[in-house]
Amino acid sequence: TQLLEQSPQFLSIQEGENLTVYCNSSSVFSSLQWYRQEPGEGPVLLVTVVTGGEVKKLKRLTFQFGDARKDSSLHITAAQPGDTGLYLCAGSQGGSEKLVFGKGTKLTVNP
Amino acid sequence: DAEITQSPRHKITETGRQVTLACHQTWNHNNMFWYRQDLGHGLRLIHYSYGVQDTNKGEVSDGYSVSRSNTEDLPLTLESAASSQTSVYFCASSEGQGGRYEQYFGPGTRLTVT
Repeated sequence: TQLLEQSPQFLSIQEGENLTVYCNSSSVFSSLQWYRQEPGEGPVLLVTVVTGGEVKKLKRLTFQFGDARKDSSLHITAAQPGDTGLYLCAGSQGGSEKLVFGKGTKLTVNP
Repeated sequence: DAEITQSPRHKITETGRQVTLACHQTWNHNNMFWYRQDLGHGLRLIHYSYGVQDTNKGEVSDGYSVSRSNTEDLPLTLESAASSQTSVYFCASSEGQGGRYEQYFGPGTRLTVT
């Protein structure tokens, strides 16, 4: 059973388009992280959200943690080819240092 | 600059052989983790450690073992390699407690078991 469900699995869009990636669960998480991974490399942290309803912005990326702390979304405005990569959400339960990862969303932004 | 390194980056081995993957971090982090990444499964936790002499099983620990004799290193051993263990393996480390800390990942080891 996958604790964190990410959708869509694959997304191919044109440069300049907006997109939203979702990370959903039936379980509560004390914190939620988003990572980006490029081919041949390890994941790199983008953001950590810890409060229900929290919204964080990182340039053209907007992250939201659901009020009930069971879900999160990542919105990219005016996507660029440099945004191409695998986006992973990861959650911590009960303050544990262990993370549970979603399967990821593979984003391709075409010029 | 602090970093986390893995070696080898690529490894081909035969079924039944013992294999050890190295992970070394210079962040001085207490927490270290081993994951495997497979198509359709994402990242799955194999073993983890919260400090020297501490090791714990993750969700896919069968056939793997780790030991933590110092802060910097957490080697992962495949006791008797199986084709099902062909995967990309990532080591990560983090500081602190509370589940809010960034995990820093190594570049990965691609293991092929033939």
